[in-house]
Amino acid sequence: DTGVSQNPRHKITKRGQNVTFRCDPISEHNRLYWYRQTLGQGPEFLTYFQNEAQLEKSRLLSDRFSAERPKGSFSTLEIQRTEQGDSAMYLCASRSTVNTEAFFGQGTRLTVV
Amino acid sequence: DQQVKQNSPSLSVQEGRISILNCDYTNSMFDYFLWYKKYPAEGPTFLISISSIKDKNEDGRFTVFLNKSAKHLSLHIVPSQPGDSAVYFCAATTSGTYKYIFGTGTRLKVLA
Repeated sequence: DTGVSQNPRHKITKRGQNVTFRCDPISEHNRLYWYRQTLGQGPEFLTYFQNEAQLEKSRLLSDRFSAERPKGSFSTLEIQRTEQGDSAMYLCASRSTVNTEAFFGQGTRLTVV
Repeated sequence: DQQVKQNSPSLSVQEGRISILNCDYTNSMFDYFLWYKKYPAEGPTFLISISSIKDKNEDGRFTVFLNKSAKHLSLHIVPSQPGDSAVYFCAATTSGTYKYIFGTGTRLKVLA
C-alpha cells in the first residue's frame, strides 16, 4: 500500500500525559499537513510542512502541540499535557508539488480520559 | 467565522436518482475547490476538484459546478448508488496558502 499511513490508529491516554503520533506520507510527496476533526465538524488545519520546513502553524494550536518532519519524509505530532478537549481524530495528508489535491491517511483517534 | 458552509447536514436519495450536495463560501480569494468523501473511521478520500477558472468539471458519475458570482458550488452524483452513502466535505483553498478550509459536511444516504 503506497497511501498515507498513520500510527497508531487509536490512542487512549490519561489527562496530563504526552502522546505522539506518526505519519508516513506518500513517498514522492513533499508537502505534508496535519488536520484535526471533531464530531460534526470538518477537518481543521493544524500545520503544514514543505519538505522538512514547517511553513505554517494554525493560531488555534496551543504551545502544547508540536510537529516535526526531520528529514522531509515522515512526520510526528506531539501533544504535551493532554486535556479532554484534545480528544479528536488527527488526520495527516500529503500532496505533491504538481497536484492540488491532498491524500489523507486513515487518522489517529485520540481519546483523553 | 465559517468561510466554507454546507448548510444541509443530511440528504437522502433513492438509488438511481441524482444527489445534489451544496456548498457556499465567503472568501473571494479562494481559487480552488475540492470534494472529499468520508466513511466512518476512515480518512477523507478525494473525489473531484475544480479551479476557479472553470465552471464545471466532470469525472464519471461526479460533476462539480462552480458559480463564482454566487460563491456557490455543488456536487452532482448521478446515478446515485448505495455505496455513495458517506459524509461529503467541501473544501476550498487559495494558491500559495496550500491549506484547505473545510465545510462541516453533508451526510448522504442512498436508499436501495
